[in-house]
Amino acid sequence: GAGVSQSPRYKVAKRGQDVALRCDPISGHVSLFWYQQALGQGPEFLTYFQNEAQLDKSGLPSDRFFAERPEGSVSTLKIQRTQQEDSAVYLCASSLAGGADTQYFGPGTRLTVL
Amino acid sequence: GQNIDQPTEMTATEGAIVQINCTYQTSGFNGLFWYQQHAGEAPTFLSYNVLDGLEEKGRFSSFLSRSKGYSYLLLKELQMKDSASYLCAVSGYSTLTFGKGTMLLVSP
Repeated sequence: GAGVSQSPRYKVAKRGQDVALRCDPISGHVSLFWYQQALGQGPEFLTYFQNEAQLDKSGLPSDRFFAERPEGSVSTLKIQRTQQEDSAVYLCASSLAGGADTQYFGPGTRLTVL
Repeated sequence: GQNIDQPTEMTATEGAIVQINCTYQTSGFNGLFWYQQHAGEAPTFLSYNVLDGLEEKGRFSSFLSRSKGYSYLLLKELQMKDSASYLCAVSGYSTLTFGKGTMLLVSP
């Protein structure tokens, strides 16, 4: 079956613009995760959903970041009033259950804020 | 809090064996993952350890010592395609905390 997909793959935004990043998890996967990966660094946790419930959003860096998964499948990460420091790769991952279940990653969206 | 350390870079020769170490200090532990990430691509799952000992999977093996907060990934019979970043990640109650990754360069 299909893996995790993300769109767009690349996004260039001017400082101050709003952006929306989409994640389609593996079908049937209950848990969905968003990570931010800066160049040369490991992914850093942003937020976690189990079905449509956002169980942990402790990693969101500011209130400009917002994520949703209204029907427990597709998720959107929205960043309002983008800043240059938001430039990074945004990775989405899904897992069948939760807890320590293996997470499978999408290819990421590379966001560049000018 | 979580603290995960792994070397920044390693180099090795095609056909050789390399061991990538990872040490961790975490407030919760539900297992340790290793992922491989080629430049510009998604991290891909390599291995998972939750009990002490060695897990072998083809050319790749992973070891865990929970009492020492230590793991390693062993890659045998290195191939050029193994040049990538290797990410150590600790599973807490619900999420993964990653190290910064070890960039492995395999030369002919």
